[in-house]
Amino acid sequence: QVQLVQSGAEVKKPGASVKVSCKVSGYTLTELSMHWVRQAPGKGLEWMGGFDPEDGETIYAQKFQGRVTMTEDTSTDTAYMELSSLRSEDTAVYYCAKYSSSSSGLDVWGQGTTVTVSS
Amino acid sequence: DIQMTQSPSSLSASVGDRVTITCQASQDISNYLNWYQQKPGKAPKLLIYDASNLETGVPSRFSGSGSGTDFTFTISSLQPEDIATYYCQQYDNLSWTFGQGTKVEIK
Repeated sequence: QVQLVQSGAEVKKPGASVKVSCKVSGYTLTELSMHWVRQAPGKGLEWMGGFDPEDGETIYAQKFQGRVTMTEDTSTDTAYMELSSLRSEDTAVYYCAKYSSSSSGLDVWGQGTTVTVSS
Repeated sequence: DIQMTQSPSSLSASVGDRVTITCQASQDISNYLNWYQQKPGKAPKLLIYDASNLETGVPSRFSGSGSGTDFTFTISSLQPEDIATYYCQQYDNLSWTFGQGTKVEIK
């Protein structure tokens, strides 16, 4: 049974960067394709990017290209999402989620990490 | 980017009612569409994949249909535990997108 446990809440100033972690248990990270989705307060879900197993590359939503970096540490089975040049509109709950090749959906989710950007 | 237009944005129905939500893609996405349920304060949950396939463990009152640009999500008999926001999501190309969500409430 795969479980994803994310790091705790963060408060950042505008212009700073934030790095959210997602620890995998029950599987090794190399067996998974991880994606990241965010949700601003009272708003809908927004896909940020994820690993494409067919190409073996990470793909990013155009909106975040140049500002987001998704990485993995296979030695600790931890995935990371770093977002730079933060602005108030980046205040949101950030989720990691596992892609299922059998269902082509995000079938296991982390609990979410709240990132607040405020001066 | 492919745009997903979901409607209605909210609805109120009675327990036992049939509930239908639609999702329209801005271009043909074949059957590359998923449906998620999100309860307040919780992470989303995958309900339907490839437009019409029920995820393991999901009650059979949930169903999905459609292909191309027009898709439908149905709850055949609304239950109190189905109060949530529902999202469609396309994965046709290298940039996934979600619909804006439909909030389902009990009348």
